[in-house]
Amino acid sequence: EDKVVQSPLSLVVHEGDTVTLNCSYEVTNFRSLLWYKQEKKAPTFLFMLTSSGIEKKSGRLSSILDKKELSSILNITATQTGDSAIYLCAAFYNQGGKLIFGQGTELSVKP
Amino acid sequence: GAVVSQHPSWVICKSGTSVKIECRSLDFQATTMFWYRQFPKQSLMLMATSNEGSKATYEQGVEKDKFLINHASLTLSTLTVTSAHPEDSSFYICSARASGGNRQTSPDTQYFGPGTRLTVL
Repeated sequence: EDKVVQSPLSLVVHEGDTVTLNCSYEVTNFRSLLWYKQEKKAPTFLFMLTSSGIEKKSGRLSSILDKKELSSILNITATQTGDSAIYLCAAFYNQGGKLIFGQGTELSVKP
Repeated sequence: GAVVSQHPSWVICKSGTSVKIECRSLDFQATTMFWYRQFPKQSLMLMATSNEGSKATYEQGVEKDKFLINHASLTLSTLTVTSAHPEDSSFYICSARASGGNRQTSPDTQYFGPGTRLTVL
């Protein structure tokens, strides 16, 4: 059965800390790995990773895919309270365009 | 670019009534749209995949007759929750996959609507 697993499920840090969120996947017909941030409403897109070993960066956030280990990490440096959210990773299927989501990591950044 | 809207953003209804939720891709064409539901503190669960002009494909455990999906055009899909009950109360989110890629859209991802919070009394 295809699945995506995230860890940790929840994390509490202080402003300025660096965090690493993990995502592993077992998906047939894998195409890409996506990261989303969800606050009160629907998820907003962060990164799409297709190639192994190539880091994607956006400000204080970065992410990388390891196809050999079937995993990805999302790093957030110098965290701010506005980073508090649920971070979701999802595997994108090659056919049909379906996404299968992990459970999410709930990040709480304290002042 | 790549904006998806949902209407309504929230709805409260009485048990036994039907509720229709609309999902529109505003600035791109979407051959495929997806419907998810999300319970508090849980991840998104795919309910069904909707392709324009054909019947929706439902995930295991999702009742087709209860959750009616129509994808009549390349920019609109609707989800109707029929005979709603309190256990159907949830956050319903749609997403759209672009038909092709350009500077603003990619077929390799899904673009999410803002979600509809349904409360059934």
